[in-house]
Amino acid sequence: DAGVIQSPRHEVTEMGQEVTLRCKPISGHNSLFWYRQTMMRGLELLIYFNNNVPIDDSGMPEDRFSAKMPNASFSTLKIQPSEPRDSAVYFCASSDRVGRTEAFFGQGTRLTVV
Amino acid sequence: GENVEQHPSTLSVQEGDSAVIKCTYSDSASNYFPWYKQELGKRPQLIIDIRSNVGEKKDQRIAVTLNKTAKHFSLHITETQPEDSAVYFCAASSTGTASKLTFGTGTRLQVTL
Repeated sequence: DAGVIQSPRHEVTEMGQEVTLRCKPISGHNSLFWYRQTMMRGLELLIYFNNNVPIDDSGMPEDRFSAKMPNASFSTLKIQPSEPRDSAVYFCASSDRVGRTEAFFGQGTRLTVV
Repeated sequence: GENVEQHPSTLSVQEGDSAVIKCTYSDSASNYFPWYKQELGKRPQLIIDIRSNVGEKKDQRIAVTLNKTAKHFSLHITETQPEDSAVYFCAASSTGTASKLTFGTGTRLQVTL
């Protein structure tokens, strides 16, 4: 398995534009997590899904952020409109058996909003 | 909600020495404590974890200890090597799983020759 796959690896966008980050979890995993990493706040859980259903989105910073998981092999995190303070590395992670095992992280998407 | 504090923020040791990183947590319901290693520009990767029903766990040069009463847990790396240089994150969860992990702020470990 190729592991958790995220795209794009890097994204530079102008303030106000819509940004969509994509994630393909490990096949067979039924839990998916979106994290944001910044120097100031470290690793923060934004939202997680079990069996494609959002379970906890209390970490989503504001309504500009939304996440979907239309099927077991794909998830998106959307920011609309983007702001400079959204600049961070966004990680997607997945685990199996309702998160019993470790969370396997993707390579991350480095987002820069100018 | 859970709050995890991690110390020190940076740690420099000589090759062959031991390194210890400490974390405290606030939620007494937390029962799963993983440690992740993140090399520069790479993804975080699990190196060891411990559940609340054990006090210590070892895996070769790495060990983790848990004190539930004091609500703190520690990572111990013995015989450090240059490839141990990375940022280490502790985390805690009350779900017993990797769901809803609250991470510490990280420790940058530098192993010098």
